[in-house]
Amino acid sequence: DVKVTQSSRYLVKRTGEKVFLECVQDMDHENMFWYRQDPGLGLRLIYFSYDVKMKEKGDIPEGYSVSREKKERFSLILESASTNQTSMYLCASSLAGAKNIQYFGAGTRLSVL
Amino acid sequence: AQKITQTQPGMFVQEKEAVTLDCTYDTSDPSYGLFWYKQPSSGEMIFLIYQGSYDQQNATEGRYSLNFQKARKSANLVISASQLGDSAMYFCAMREVSSGGYNKLIFGAGTRLAVHP
Repeated sequence: DVKVTQSSRYLVKRTGEKVFLECVQDMDHENMFWYRQDPGLGLRLIYFSYDVKMKEKGDIPEGYSVSREKKERFSLILESASTNQTSMYLCASSLAGAKNIQYFGAGTRLSVL
Repeated sequence: AQKITQTQPGMFVQEKEAVTLDCTYDTSDPSYGLFWYKQPSSGEMIFLIYQGSYDQQNATEGRYSLNFQKARKSANLVISASQLGDSAMYFCAMREVSSGGYNKLIFGAGTRLAVHP
């Protein structure tokens, strides 16, 4: 079974803090993704990575950056957290290839106060 | 413009009955894929079923089937014999190609399904 692990289920941070969300997958997947989920908006792609040290912006990259130094780990960074970044963050991974079935972690619910 | 539309914010169904969750999509790419995911209250997204645009038959996975109508650009999820554990959010998604040439998914807003005993 594919295992995608997000380091925290819940996080509370203050405005202006630098925040790191970590994601690890154990299936040697080439692709990794970060989404945020807000009610009524579904999942929106922030960034994804198709190889180590390679990344591409998604639909809402503003205010975020990412890091992928090892194949199994993909980090989402909020350089200076703001209240409008309060949300559920979901990490996913997939094999490269046509189907692109993505497997998700349990999510991190981030509150920025 | 929305590329994936789920028009039903909420649905309910009696246990053991079948239910259809609607999904329409918009793309000009002849090659695409459609997915359904389930998200229980625990938060984890669970992959349910996949349909490729060139697949001749509608996809089925156990009690889940995908009613794929290409001309109408619809990919409705049918759950047969509903169970209480089917109560969850359901998301329809479509694979599209990014500006860099890589596959990514876009998601609809979701439908919350409640199964009543």
